[in-house]
Amino acid sequence: EVQLVESGGGVVRPGGSLRLSCAASGFTFDDFGMSWVRQAPGKGLEWVSGITWNGGVIGYGDSVKGRFTISRDNAKKSLYLQMNSLRVEDTAFYYCARDSSGSKDNWGQGTLVTVSS
Amino acid sequence: QSALTQPASVSGSPGQSITISCTGTSSDVGGYNYVSWYQQHPGKAPKLMIYEVSYRPSGVSNRFSGSKSGNTASLTISGLQAEDEADYYCSSYTTSSTWVFGGGTKLTVL
Repeated sequence: EVQLVESGGGVVRPGGSLRLSCAASGFTFDDFGMSWVRQAPGKGLEWVSGITWNGGVIGYGDSVKGRFTISRDNAKKSLYLQMNSLRVEDTAFYYCARDSSGSKDNWGQGTLVTVSS
Repeated sequence: QSALTQPASVSGSPGQSITISCTGTSSDVGGYNYVSWYQQHPGKAPKLMIYEVSYRPSGVSNRFSGSKSGNTASLTISGLQAEDEADYYCSSYTTSSTWVFGGGTKLTVL
């Protein structure tokens, strides 16, 4: 069974940093690209960032470009999101998702990031 | 990266069929067959329902179907059931090598 478990969320002040992690199990991690998708409370889904199986291709949404960095460690079967210069509008649930056939076919349960002074 | 356009809400009675539209541009929906649909119940993570425009993942009911014409994709749910009440999101790959979601549609089963 595919499992994705996010961690690292919490409360941070504007301008602060946070690192999210996603632990994967139940599949061959380095066979798949991975993504981060976020959802502000009561709002819709927003693609944040994605990375190919070997980290060779990385992409970011316009709202986080230059502030967030995605990475992965295939040996540890883990995906990361380093978030710097956080803003109030970054407050959201952050989901880790597996990329497959042009879709996000498995999702974690999400971790809440709250940016507030 | 403008969000894809979905109706804010749709509704139907049990047993009926409904269709949710998802309109983009030639730079996303119209340019690729990487259109997918997700179901999200309150407080839960999204669940993949349709990928590559019209394919159903294993375990998804055949009451769910997808299609695309030009820059508009559609999700049809036939034989509506109470458990189908949820939010639905479309998504597409884009020419910028990024992904974009629709604003979401709230389905109410009357």
